[in-house]
Amino acid sequence: GAVVSQHPSWVICKSGTSVKIECRSLDFQATTMFWYRQFPKQSLMLMATSNEGSKATYEQGVEKDKFLINHASLTLSTLTVTSAHPEDSSFYICSARDDGANTEAFFGQGTRLTVV
Amino acid sequence: GNSVTQMEGPVTLSEEAFLTINCTYTATGYPSLFWYVQYPGEGLQLLLKATKADDKGSNKGFEATYRKETTSFHLEKGSVQVSDSAVYFCAVTRGSYIPTFGRGTSLIVHP
Repeated sequence: GAVVSQHPSWVICKSGTSVKIECRSLDFQATTMFWYRQFPKQSLMLMATSNEGSKATYEQGVEKDKFLINHASLTLSTLTVTSAHPEDSSFYICSARDDGANTEAFFGQGTRLTVV
Repeated sequence: GNSVTQMEGPVTLSEEAFLTINCTYTATGYPSLFWYVQYPGEGLQLLLKATKADDKGSNKGFEATYRKETTSFHLEKGSVQVSDSAVYFCAVTRGSYIPTFGRGTSLIVHP
């Protein structure tokens, strides 16, 4: 089946630094990928839709300058948390749709970000 | 927009007990409905889905029926196992297969 891989699985960084999270579709092409944020014991909140070759579409209330998204190829999207602060600590999950199949999106395993 | 309401957890059961997790939704048009499962520290896995009214999705002993008249998609399993302990999310699609998730229901199964 379709596999979406996220890297890293977890990361600890210092306040003020930037962190990049990668999302790869391993066996299919994905023009569209999605980035979610999950707070402890809460649901997933869609942050943005990543579009290959164009600007990402951010959901209301999500700071685009804070959460930079780049979708440079049909198999890779990256989320960079810039100038991270402790309140950015969260579980970030990406998902991707297979361009060649009329199916739901597949999810990565998530990245646990802790900002100290 | 779309929304999903799930029963609050945690749901605590003994092994081999019957499971029901309620889910109701609001959506325009003809949405597809999903149940996802999240094991501790992991991402989401699709458990089952239904794409039109009266469809029944099933997988690994779990099942849910798309009830348009009651806008519900309740998850059931006849006999749960300890390995079923996880968080379960009900979801409804919005437009281009972008799901809107419920808050999740934690299931704890004791031996």
